[in-house]
Amino acid sequence: EVQLVESGGGLVKPGRSLTLSCIASGFSFGDYALNWFRQAPGKGLEWVGFIRSEAYGATTEHAASVEGRFTISRDDSKSIAYLQMNSLKTEDTAVYYCTIGEHWFDPWGQGTLVSVSS
Amino acid sequence: DIVMTQSPDSLAVSLGERATINCTSSQNILYDSNNKNYLAWYQQKPGQPPKLLIYWASTRESGVPARFSGSGSGTDFTLTISSLQAEDVAVYYCQQYYSIPITFGQGTPLEIK
Repeated sequence: EVQLVESGGGLVKPGRSLTLSCIASGFSFGDYALNWFRQAPGKGLEWVGFIRSEAYGATTEHAASVEGRFTISRDDSKSIAYLQMNSLKTEDTAVYYCTIGEHWFDPWGQGTLVSVSS
Repeated sequence: DIVMTQSPDSLAVSLGERATINCTSSQNILYDSNNKNYLAWYQQKPGQPPKLLIYWASTRESGVPARFSGSGSGTDFTLTISSLQAEDVAVYYCQQYYSIPITFGQGTPLEIK
């Protein structure tokens, strides 16, 4: 069974950093692009960014709202992807989801909540 | 960025009746070289992650009930639920993957009338 599990969320003060993890199982993780999305409380879905597979250089793309603050990386030997979040803002408060794919996305993890508040 | 706009903003339909959600993109998302529309539809139930329903605008994901269908081309798309079931209560999102950044419609909550 294909499964993605996010972890690392929590309460953090503005300006601080946090790293989320996405642990994958049930498929050949290294063959897929890995995406991060987020959903603020009561709001819609927002793409955060993705990292291509090693076959495509493991290059990354990020949304403008997080460019320069968030970094996506991957460790294919452990089937894990990371979202390093620096200089967090209150507007980064959201449930963060990881998912695989390059065009449409399925399946999604259950998400991890990041709350940025003083 | 491609802006995706859904209508209506919310929808209430009686059990067994047809539900229709529209999605309009701010620019054409039909890729000429392969004649495919770069659009997907998702269902999200409370407290759950999104679930893929449709991709390439009209291809139903494996395991998705046949009452769900997608149509449209270019800039105008529709998700239709032919006979609403109680378990279809959810928020529905369209998403374009024609260009980065990937963008979603604002979501359409669907409830039972």
